[in-house]
Amino acid sequence: GENVEQHPSTLSVQEGDSAVIKCTYSDSASNYFPWYKQELGKRPQLIIDIRSNVGEKKDQRIAVTLNKTAKHFSLHITETQPEDSAVYFCAARILNFGNEKLTFGTGTRLTIIP
Amino acid sequence: DSGVTQTPKHLITATGQRVTLRCSPRSGDLSVYWYQQSLDQGLQFLIQYYNGEERAKGNILERFSAQQFPDLHSELNLSSLELGDSALYFCASSPPGNEQFFGPGTRLTVL
Repeated sequence: GENVEQHPSTLSVQEGDSAVIKCTYSDSASNYFPWYKQELGKRPQLIIDIRSNVGEKKDQRIAVTLNKTAKHFSLHITETQPEDSAVYFCAARILNFGNEKLTFGTGTRLTIIP
Repeated sequence: DSGVTQTPKHLITATGQRVTLRCSPRSGDLSVYWYQQSLDQGLQFLIQYYNGEERAKGNILERFSAQQFPDLHSELNLSSLELGDSALYFCASSPPGNEQFFGPGTRLTVL
């Protein structure tokens, strides 16, 4: 089955700097890669996703890049703010109608230092 | 608010007991997923139902079972509970081929 590795497990950056979180996946059939943000005790919330026919996607301060050949994808957060502090999870999925199991990475605890 | 509801919010029970967690998906979503998140751990996929049928299974213990009813709500049954079953249990729903929306979770504490 699919295996998703995520690094680093913890990341501290100064407010205003950029943060980068990286994930690799094992199943070349995976074609959908969402990123979730989870604040303490809350539900995971989708912040951005990318499909395998796209190499990069941006949404304001957040961007995701995908390298299908190398089977890795990354989350980039620019101009970080204190409210960006949370745990971030990457995930991979095969878009297979009716069978859409998400395999999650182990999470990155991002701390923004004011 | 994602539109996915879960009850109860908190559940405290003893080892050996059985509990039922309930999930109502977003209106129109046919797929329901269950995930387990232990303290400081990632999200472990348990099981997926699509329109009443089991579609995918993850690392779900034999003591755990789930079902999806004709009105599309789902229940996760956990029996012979052990201390290690203490966790946050999330339900998610999605339309086919799209993002999964997570519910607020049920925090289960086994004493």
